Amino acid sequence: GENVEQHPSTLSVQEGDSAVIKCTYSDSASNYFPWYKQELGKRPQLIIDIRSNVGEKKDQRIAVTLNKTAKHFSLHITETQPEDSAVYFCAASIPGNQFYFGTGTSLTVIP
Amino acid sequence: DVKVTQSSRYLVKRTGEKVFLECVQDMDHENMFWYRQDPGLGLRLIYFSYDVKMKEKGDIPEGYSVSREKKERFSLILESASTNQTSMYLCATLGPGETQYFGPGTRLLVL
Repeated sequence: GENVEQHPSTLSVQEGDSAVIKCTYSDSASNYFPWYKQELGKRPQLIIDIRSNVGEKKDQRIAVTLNKTAKHFSLHITETQPEDSAVYFCAASIPGNQFYFGTGTSLTVIP
Repeated sequence: DVKVTQSSRYLVKRTGEKVFLECVQDMDHENMFWYRQDPGLGLRLIYFSYDVKMKEKGDIPEGYSVSREKKERFSLILESASTNQTSMYLCATLGPGETQYFGPGTRLLVL
């Protein structure tokens, strides 16, 4: 089955700096890669996603890149703010709608 | 607005008890999922269902069963609760564009 690895497990940045979280996947059949943000005590919520026919997608301060050859994808947050502090999960989906999640990255933005 | 609810936010049970966790959605989504979330392990799929009375095992189905008698309701059953089932349980549905919508979670403590 699919195996998704996520790094780093914790990340601290100064407010205004950029944050990058990286994920790798193993199954070349995976074709959908969402990112979820989970604030403390709340449910995970989709923040951005990318499909295998696209190399990069951007939404304001967040962007995701995908390298199908290397089987890795990354989340980039620019101009970080304290409200970006949360746990971020990457996921990979294979046909049949099974989702495989990374182990999460706890991001702390220091004011 | 998308709505996924879970029957309890917090639950304390004793070893050996039968435990029911209920998830209800009002979006008419066909696919529903049960995950458990543990620190350092991310979200792991227990079971999912793609239609009424249909179910598929995920990565960690041992010790669990599920029931989907109606489209809007997906129940997770711990046949005989054990301490290693202490965890956060998250229900999710799959909406258009493969977006997953999560419930608020049930934090289960098995004593």
